[in-house]
Amino acid sequence: SQQGEEDPQALSIQEGENATMNCSYKTSINNLQWYRQNSGRGLVHLILIRSNEREKHSGRLRVTLDTSKKSSSLLITASRAADTASYFCATNHNFNKFYFGSGTKLNVKP
Amino acid sequence: DTEVTQTPKHLVMGMTNKKSLKCEQHMGHRAMYWYKQKAKKPPELMFVYSYEKLSINESVPSRFSPECPNSSLLNLHLHALQPEDSALYLCASSQGLKDRANRSGANVLTFGAGSRLTVL
Repeated sequence: SQQGEEDPQALSIQEGENATMNCSYKTSINNLQWYRQNSGRGLVHLILIRSNEREKHSGRLRVTLDTSKKSSSLLITASRAADTASYFCATNHNFNKFYFGSGTKLNVKP
Repeated sequence: DTEVTQTPKHLVMGMTNKKSLKCEQHMGHRAMYWYKQKAKKPPELMFVYSYEKLSINESVPSRFSPECPNSSLLNLHLHALQPEDSALYLCASSQGLKDRANRSGANVLTFGAGSRLTVL
């Protein structure tokens, strides 16, 4: 990808379980964001964490950022079948430049 | 209005055709983007317009020609494409505020649903 990698590439879990996906990036950032994409549609913004923050919560989402390791993780708690989608991290540089990681495809089985 | 609208949803064109993809937003955003996404890959940044001026071109071949007629519209003109250019083309917008004092605010992308392009 233009910026970094995500792992795992694919993740399959049961409803009610937690899902964790990781993102690594290459260069310094203003902030890091997570987006969700349902089967070939447009992406939807989920959560943003600034470079001077370490952890952020929003509903069932928890994101962490470690700038020394250039990595972030997204935790989705108590997953639902409706969470099935691809998840991408995006690094924000120079305000108007956004690069996406390679993505994690999440399948939540009912 | 919190939407980015892309037309057409699907486009099939030959390698000698000239066509255009269109994108429109009415959220007052001043930055607009084109991304290309191949199957099972992440979106790849192509172009960024900031205040109707092209600010980023990620070394995109000249057969792709972007245009920003005004702050609400973004076009991508296509000419002499190759079959490997077949992909989902995503338009996005963001506040794109120039004022450094406002940069502590969130600059996030709002995406359209995409235009799926097939080049024969």
